[in-house]
Amino acid sequence: DAGVTQSPTHLIKTRGQQVTLRCSPKSGHDTVSWYQQALGQGPQFIFQYYEEEERQRGNFPDRFSGHQFPNYSSELNVNALLLGDSALYLCASSSWTGPSNQPQHFGDGTRLSIL
Amino acid sequence: AQTVTQSQPEMSVQEAETVTLSCTYDTSESDYYLFWYKQPPSRQMILVIRQEAYKQQNATENRFSVNFQKAAKSFSLKISDSQLGDAAMYFCALTEGLNRDDKIIFGKGTRLHILP
Repeated sequence: DAGVTQSPTHLIKTRGQQVTLRCSPKSGHDTVSWYQQALGQGPQFIFQYYEEEERQRGNFPDRFSGHQFPNYSSELNVNALLLGDSALYLCASSSWTGPSNQPQHFGDGTRLSIL
Repeated sequence: AQTVTQSQPEMSVQEAETVTLSCTYDTSESDYYLFWYKQPPSRQMILVIRQEAYKQQNATENRFSVNFQKAAKSFSLKISDSQLGDAAMYFCALTEGLNRDDKIIFGKGTRLHILP
């Protein structure tokens, strides 16, 4: 039973570039959430996708956008990269129809470094 | 706005001893869930224990237990018989309400060192 998988594991970009991160949810899950974790900080919620729609969004600029595909996998896109976008990006999955107290399952994250 | 505060950036404990990590939170909701997550150097966020706010009984999972004080908005984690594998960052987290789209709010974390 595969858990949440993210790719790539590590990425290096320069300022102004664009990046796409990918996430496949745990088998049986249909909801994907993205978090940004800066060095030494706790994760911060970016947005959540269910049924290919953005359901909720955290306090992040429009440079951060996402997409969910019919197979429930998801992409996080960041445009016009800034040095401050350097962070670990975590994907978490859950089941929309599961119990309300279910925990989200996290992937290993993508480490994004901006030069 | 909801917040989660962990006042101990780092803690150390001798192997086989007991350690308690502190967490306070703020929310205007009456229904919410609290979690402790563990993040080892491998980076994956692993759920340690969870507590439903409407339950008065403190949650326990093997060597891990919580002290949930709803009125004080306090949610501490006790690790008994500490093991080397317990070394990690520990995050206290809050989910408000019971809606499917509720986001998780994390604290800044406590780095736990286990001394052999």
